[in-house]
Amino acid sequence: NAGVTQTPKFRVLKTGQSMTLLCAQDMNHEYMYWYRQDPGMGLRLIHYSVGEGTTAKGEVPDGYNVSRLKKQNFLLGLESAAPSQTSVYFCASSLEGTVSIQYFGAGTRLSVL
Amino acid sequence: GQNIDQPTEMTATEGAIVQINCTYQTSGFNGLFWYQQHAGEAPTFLSYNVLDGLEEKGRFSSFLSRSKGYSYLLLKELQMKDSASYLCAVRDSNYQLIWGAGTKLIIKP
Repeated sequence: NAGVTQTPKFRVLKTGQSMTLLCAQDMNHEYMYWYRQDPGMGLRLIHYSVGEGTTAKGEVPDGYNVSRLKKQNFLLGLESAAPSQTSVYFCASSLEGTVSIQYFGAGTRLSVL
Repeated sequence: GQNIDQPTEMTATEGAIVQINCTYQTSGFNGLFWYQQHAGEAPTFLSYNVLDGLEEKGRFSSFLSRSKGYSYLLLKELQMKDSASYLCAVRDSNYQLIWGAGTKLIIKP
């Protein structure tokens, strides 16, 4: 039962470096989401996708880009990392977007020095 | 603005009962979720309320009052493994989840 899988689990970047976080789900879910979780704050939505080939901005999209070329994968890119992007990133998926439960991956801990 | 409020931290004793409150002010309401998150792990779904009243699921129950913008999660017969953060989230008029900062529950023997 893989569910939602995120890679990598940990990463340290220097300011200005780029990286891509990969999220894969095997539940045939239409919707996928990227969140960040910071101490003392609720999960904040970065970007989301309502189906293959679609993406949309969430609450905090600046500095991030996403792609959903295949239904099962949702990629989050940081083109030029900044210390403010130090966070724990969670990917989630849901069957649809109105009543469905969101299922989360184990998270990626990213530090930007 | 949209806001979800929950206590930052609570402490309870093994075997006891604890109630974690959540109040919300959101643009629209399309359901309220409770998730459990152990330290360093992913949030996992606990309960969903869309109508007023109590939903019971084993040792866990969740209550909703839409008129008061209020929910609580009730945990009975507390076990050490219940030590975790409990996240309240509301689905707003755009069907986006708005998340509270979470309540860290510490269980003492």
